[in-house]
Amino acid sequence: QSALTQPASVSGSPGQSITISCTGSYSDIGGYDYVSWYQQFPDKTPQLLIYDVTKRPSGVSNRFSGSKSGKTASLTISGLQAADEADYFCSSYSSGGTWVFGTGTKVTVL
Amino acid sequence: QVHLVQSGAEVKKPGASVKISCKASGYTFINRHIHWVRQAPGQGLEWMGWLIPGDGKTKSSPKFQARITITRDTSASTAYMELSSLRSEDTGVYYCARLTGYSLDLWGPGTQVTVSS
Repeated sequence: QSALTQPASVSGSPGQSITISCTGSYSDIGGYDYVSWYQQFPDKTPQLLIYDVTKRPSGVSNRFSGSKSGKTASLTISGLQAADEADYFCSSYSSGGTWVFGTGTKVTVL
Repeated sequence: QVHLVQSGAEVKKPGASVKISCKASGYTFINRHIHWVRQAPGQGLEWMGWLIPGDGKTKSSPKFQARITITRDTSASTAYMELSSLRSEDTGVYYCARLTGYSLDLWGPGTQVTVSS
């Protein structure tokens, strides 16, 4: 059960849009529409950002959006703000009733 | 208020075991699965396993399968995760989290476990 692959870092200027990719296999991302994204600030608890590939929990800004194509899921942050600087992790349900997380991406606002 | 409360930080020697508790409040404990997630220092999140509080059924990651025991006390609305044969690489923060659908919508504050001789 290998971790999902994310870029180590992504950066952008305020107001820009950035996209974080999350690549897995047909046993996880490619096989189920159960991809989640979590935002984690330094020394803080992860918070759910996106669930079921595209859905946002109540209270999450619509600047965050999710998508999926084949074995790769993506998180897009539009209108990038300084407050978006954090680590982002994808996760997927996987065959056999297990879950797997991504390697994590550090977002920097230039 | 809905939240998960975890037990305090632990310091263990290599080869020992650690048992962490996770008490749920503000919702019906048996209605939602509890997952355990680990984060080593400066590293990413690592899925460890889950518990169905209603019937005690569990499933764990193959990586931890031989060393992890997940249990619950429904009368106390509390889940437990015990990890045995600790080694230095087990140092990190251990989170419990509630599953809603297929995502973790409520997280505990984390429990720091340090393994050192």
